[in-house]
Amino acid sequence: GENVEQHPSTLSVQEGDSAVIKCTYSDSASNYFPWYKQELGKRPQLIIDIRSNVGEKKDQRIAVTLNKTAKHFSLHITETQPEDSAVYFCAPPGGGNKLTFGTGTQLKVEL
Amino acid sequence: ETGVTQTPRHLVMGMTNKKSLKCEQHLGHNAMYWYKQSAKKPLELMFVYNFKEQTENNSVPSRFSPECPNSSHLFLHLHTLQPEDSALYLCASSQEWENSYNEQFFGPGTRLTVL
Repeated sequence: GENVEQHPSTLSVQEGDSAVIKCTYSDSASNYFPWYKQELGKRPQLIIDIRSNVGEKKDQRIAVTLNKTAKHFSLHITETQPEDSAVYFCAPPGGGNKLTFGTGTQLKVEL
Repeated sequence: ETGVTQTPRHLVMGMTNKKSLKCEQHLGHNAMYWYKQSAKKPLELMFVYNFKEQTENNSVPSRFSPECPNSSHLFLHLHTLQPEDSALYLCASSQEWENSYNEQFFGPGTRLTVL
């Protein structure tokens, strides 16, 4: 199965700064790399994903970069805002749509 | 409410009780999932159903018994649970199981407390 490590476990930034969260996976056959966001007391929701045939994808203030050789992908959030405060999970699939969730990163954006 | 719904939202039960969690998806999806989310642990996949057939059982104890009568409904039957089973139980659905590119849509979860 897929082994997933996510770092850091907690991240505190000032509003307007950038945040980067890294996810390392083990299965070299993985071809899909999503990030989910879970706000306090709410359900996880997909915020961005990337397929293995591209190295970077952007959607406004968030981006995901992929390094298949090193088997890691990262979530980048620029110009952070208070509403970005949440837990972020990487979840590369280990076969079919069987997502293997990382341990999560608690992001806190301070005013 | 649209998307994926779960009932009840909160449940307190004793170790000898029998209860059921219900999930319903209104998205026309063919795959449904049960996850367990405990404090300070990653989401753990419990069961996967694809077109009503169970495709994954992630070594879940038999005190958890899933049921999928059709592609829109998923149940988790609980009996003789332990206090360590207290957690948030999340249901999710996706268009299909075979396609790893499918987004999973989560329900709001059932917060379970076992006394």
